[in-house]
Amino acid sequence: DSGVTQTPKHLITATGQRVTLRCSPRSGDLSVYWYQQSLDQGLQFLIQYYNGEERAKGNILERFSAQQFPDLHSELNLSSLELGDSALYFCASSPRTGTGSEKLFFGSGTQLSVL
Amino acid sequence: GQQVMQIPQYQHVQEGEDFTTYCNSSTTLSNIQWYKQRPGGHPVFLIQLVKSGEVKKQKRLTFQFGEAKKNSSLHITATQTTDVGTYFCAGRGGSEKLVFGKGMKLTVNP
Repeated sequence: DSGVTQTPKHLITATGQRVTLRCSPRSGDLSVYWYQQSLDQGLQFLIQYYNGEERAKGNILERFSAQQFPDLHSELNLSSLELGDSALYFCASSPRTGTGSEKLFFGSGTQLSVL
Repeated sequence: GQQVMQIPQYQHVQEGEDFTTYCNSSTTLSNIQWYKQRPGGHPVFLIQLVKSGEVKKQKRLTFQFGEAKKNSSLHITATQTTDVGTYFCAGRGGSEKLVFGKGMKLTVNP
């Protein structure tokens, strides 16, 4: 158990809908990262937050948004869903900003299926 | 932008065989990390390399960071069925983003 909690584990929805994925980082970790994993596409970095502020942005679509709350949990909002958004979404956390040599602790992921 | 490429993407070996997988970055890295994801699981940190030419071993796994800090390798000796999974390398260049490669999926024939 990495200590990172993601809910829900599975999510099935329809095209055009909006969903929210939730992540609670390890106790004491200030940084939260979101990654998307599609078949044969590896781990695509979406966005990183540190202590409530956005620190780095990757290939995140405009239909997607995220935030980190004062209690350090994070939510990833996906809207106007398309079939191609079906993927495994991972959250990871690390103790500090991630500028140095910190390793990431990954949650178990949320499997999103858009039908 | 920064890209990290892994070769091969798939590797099938006989139990007991040795093999090496490679990771190449388009930019110089400050450090490189390796993660393993078991089937149905999540990525788990294996190791980090920071210094040019650094070599680290974990039991049957040997990790190396290139002299130019743009590539890395993972060598597994005497592969076992417990080694099955996808191995990712991930690197940080000049930004805070940790960029992952597409992974190397390992299957083992017992």
